[in-house]
Amino acid sequence: GQNIDQPTEMTATEGAIVQINCTYQTSGFNGLFWYQQHAGEAPTFLSYNVLDGLEEKGRFSSFLSRSKGYSYLLLKELQMKDSASYLCATDGGYNKLIFGAGTRLAVHP
Amino acid sequence: DAMVIQNPRYQVTQFGKPVTLSCSQTLNHNVMYWYQQKSSQAPKLLFHYYDKDFNNEADTPDNFQSRRPNTSFCFLDIRSPGLGDAAMYLCATSREPPGGEITDTQYFGPGTRLTVL
Repeated sequence: GQNIDQPTEMTATEGAIVQINCTYQTSGFNGLFWYQQHAGEAPTFLSYNVLDGLEEKGRFSSFLSRSKGYSYLLLKELQMKDSASYLCATDGGYNKLIFGAGTRLAVHP
Repeated sequence: DAMVIQNPRYQVTQFGKPVTLSCSQTLNHNVMYWYQQKSSQAPKLLFHYYDKDFNNEADTPDNFQSRRPNTSFCFLDIRSPGLGDAAMYLCATSREPPGGEITDTQYFGPGTRLTVL
């Protein structure tokens, strides 16, 4: 079966750090994507993890543990424009991504 | 700039009246996808094409059909829209890495928001 869990909503303060968790149980797994989606817009690619460990890309970092079926997205120095939904998606292979429902992040001044 | 384009951005149709959504890409990617996304839900894959090979998801209703006349264009046809079909429809593209097992990054268009009256 396919199951991806993320918190539904999170709030954080401008300038702070926030960690968005994602746990997954999928029948096939090649890697994990994180996408950002602003309200009413298309998802945009943030990161892709294949191997265990932390991938850092500017203010955003993503971590993967394949053995635990767990990933997180870390956002540093939060800005108001980071208010969006964050979707994790597992790569089941052969052109199929399985998306989570997303975590809606609200950044407050 | 290379991109994925969807037209129209907003589409209003009447219950049961056929509607076609279009997608074009300048990325020269050989894989194209159609997703349906309802409010606060995950994007749900409807179909994907690898070149002209059509792949239908098992739970995609027969009411939805797709055409890909060439590499650059893909269409989503909804034959008899119901109220439950109101959603954002997202087109995406990706390359097909050698071997085919690993899914490459998908690039999304801006989406078409469909309203059914």
